[in-house]
Amino acid sequence: QKEVEQNSGPLSVPEGAIASLNCTYSDRVSQSFFWYRQYSGKSPELIMSIYSNGDKEDGRFTAQLNKASQYVSLLIRDSQPSDSATYLCAVNMKGWDTGNQFYFGTGTSLTVIP
Amino acid sequence: GAVVSQHPSRVICKSGTSVKIECRSLDFQATTMFWYRQFPKQSLMLMATSNEGSKATYEQGVEKDKFLINHASLTLSTLTVTSAHPEDSSFYICSGGRNMNEQFFGPGTRLTVL
Repeated sequence: QKEVEQNSGPLSVPEGAIASLNCTYSDRVSQSFFWYRQYSGKSPELIMSIYSNGDKEDGRFTAQLNKASQYVSLLIRDSQPSDSATYLCAVNMKGWDTGNQFYFGTGTSLTVIP
Repeated sequence: GAVVSQHPSRVICKSGTSVKIECRSLDFQATTMFWYRQFPKQSLMLMATSNEGSKATYEQGVEKDKFLINHASLTLSTLTVTSAHPEDSSFYICSGGRNMNEQFFGPGTRLTVL
């Protein structure tokens, strides 16, 4: 069973719309949650981190965490063509046999259409 | 955020040769660093966890004798691909953080084995 799951997409939204990206994670003692953006041919860059239930806003980005339902989402408001990239969800989990470890989803490809 | 560098950014080598990739944390000390591999249009795959002063922990299916990891100091981890073959051609990325609640990626090294 995969630890972190994302819809691979591709997800297409028109410029100016809201892009919604979702991620679910397996039942472990999950501590921290992250969203990374990866442009083609580049390494991932951190967009948002969230540690507690609820919403966290940073500019056009809002991360939402629901530990009871084991999902974390990323909303991108006023989407721009420059937001077109692959978005990776990452969860820092501490398993009884592995210690702290980052688990990455397979990523969701987002295309913002001008 | 913390800065992680990698060198070289791109390397082309002949089959059978060995290639060393360096990963440095520039403004923080990293007890633990991670090495990933990413094939085109695929997700990040964790290869190993590099631990300063001790042996690396390899993920299942990753040959420890082929991918040698050395974490000699708190700011430097190296990955050596020994006897490289064309199927080792990939994008290799390292990451590190000041603590287990953050992971910053290096810019990646694109390896091409002819």
